[in-house]
Formats: sequence, structure tokens, C-alpha cells
Amino acid sequence: DSGVTQTPKHLITATGQRVTLRCSPRSGDLSVYWYQQSLDQGLQFLIQYYNGEERAKGNILERFSAQQFPDLHSELNLSSLELGDSALYFCASSVEGTLPNNEQFFGPGTRLTVL
Amino acid sequence: QQQVKQSPQSLIVQKGGISIINCAYENTAFDYFPWYQQFPGKGPALLIAIRPDVSEKKEGRFTISFNKSAKQFSLHIMDSQPGDSATYFCAASMLVSNFGNEKLTFGTGTRLTIIP
Repeated sequence: DSGVTQTPKHLITATGQRVTLRCSPRSGDLSVYWYQQSLDQGLQFLIQYYNGEERAKGNILERFSAQQFPDLHSELNLSSLELGDSALYFCASSVEGTLPNNEQFFGPGTRLTVL
Repeated sequence: QQQVKQSPQSLIVQKGGISIINCAYENTAFDYFPWYQQFPGKGPALLIAIRPDVSEKKEGRFTISFNKSAKQFSLHIMDSQPGDSATYFCAASMLVSNFGNEKLTFGTGTRLTIIP
């Protein structure tokens, strides 16, 4: 158990809908990362937050957005869903600021199925 | 320049044998190279990691070999066991002073199967 929790575990929805995925980082970790894992694209970085502020952006679609709250949990919002958005979404957290050890700990993921 | 290329895509090794997975990168600014292990239905978990100031790092049966000039690194699993059957991802990241690591760029994964 990595200490990172994600909810829900599974999500089934229809095209055009909007969903919110939630992540709670490990206690003490300030940085949260979101990744998308699909069969054809592998693990792709979406976005990173550090202590409430956006730190880095990757291959995140404009239909997707994220935020990190004062209690450090993070939410990934996916809107106008398309069939191709079906994937596993992982959240990871790291301590930051304790160089050189910045291991990212991954949560169990949320499996999103868009029908 | 942000790519990390991983091979092979799948690998079958007999129990007790050596499993070898290779990765190559292009961006010379990468300076942190972790390997992640992922079991079905689980998130990736850090297995072992190396920084480019050393050419090899060993932890138990797992060894990373790093060749900075060739921009390649590999994972060796000695005495492979059925419990090692999983998907392995190499990754690379850049260290940003005072802010820790940036995002991980992952390889495409290797599905390893250890047969009895």
C-alpha cells in the first residue's frame, strides 16, 4: 500500500458527461501528479500540483482540468467525455524539497469507462 | 527529445534465469532514472532508481546498469521468479533545483512472464 488513495475505483459513464476523480496524497507529501494509462499511449503525464499551485503540465486536454485543495487532496475533472478517454487514471505524490529523494508513490488508480 | 524508448515489449524467461529490459533516452538533461513494477490492477511501484553519477546500482536481485555516453540504461533481474511476473516501466526525469523532480517520462512498458 503506497499510502495514496484514489476514488472511485471504477467509473462508468456516457459520452458527453463530466466526471471528477479524487486523490489523497501520502501524509506529508506536497506534490501531486496525474497520469493517464491507456493501451495505446502507455503512461502519460497529465499535470502536477505542488502545495496548491500548478507546477507542470503535460499532455492534458483542454476538456480536462485539475486542482489541489488546501488539505492537499487533488481532483481531476474530465468533461465532454469521449470514448477515447477510457483509461486508467493514476495519481502519484511525492514529498518534494528533500532532494535527492523525490520518489513518486502511485495510487491504485481509477478505471474510467466511457460508453 | 522527451521520449524514452523501451524494449522488448514482452519477455518470457525461465525461472532462475536473468531478465533484461533495456531503455534509451534522448534528452541529456534527464538525471533520474527509476524503474517501476506494475502488477495487474495496481498502480506502478518504484523498484529501483539510479542517477547518472554511477554506472550500476544493485538492490537484491535487481540491478540497473547505466551507460551515460550511450544514453541507455537497463534493468537486470537475477534468479527470476514467477512472482516477478509483472509489467516493468523505465522512466526518466529532470531534477530542478529546490523544487525536486519534474514529471516522469515513461517507457512503453515490458510485460515480463517467468515460467517454471
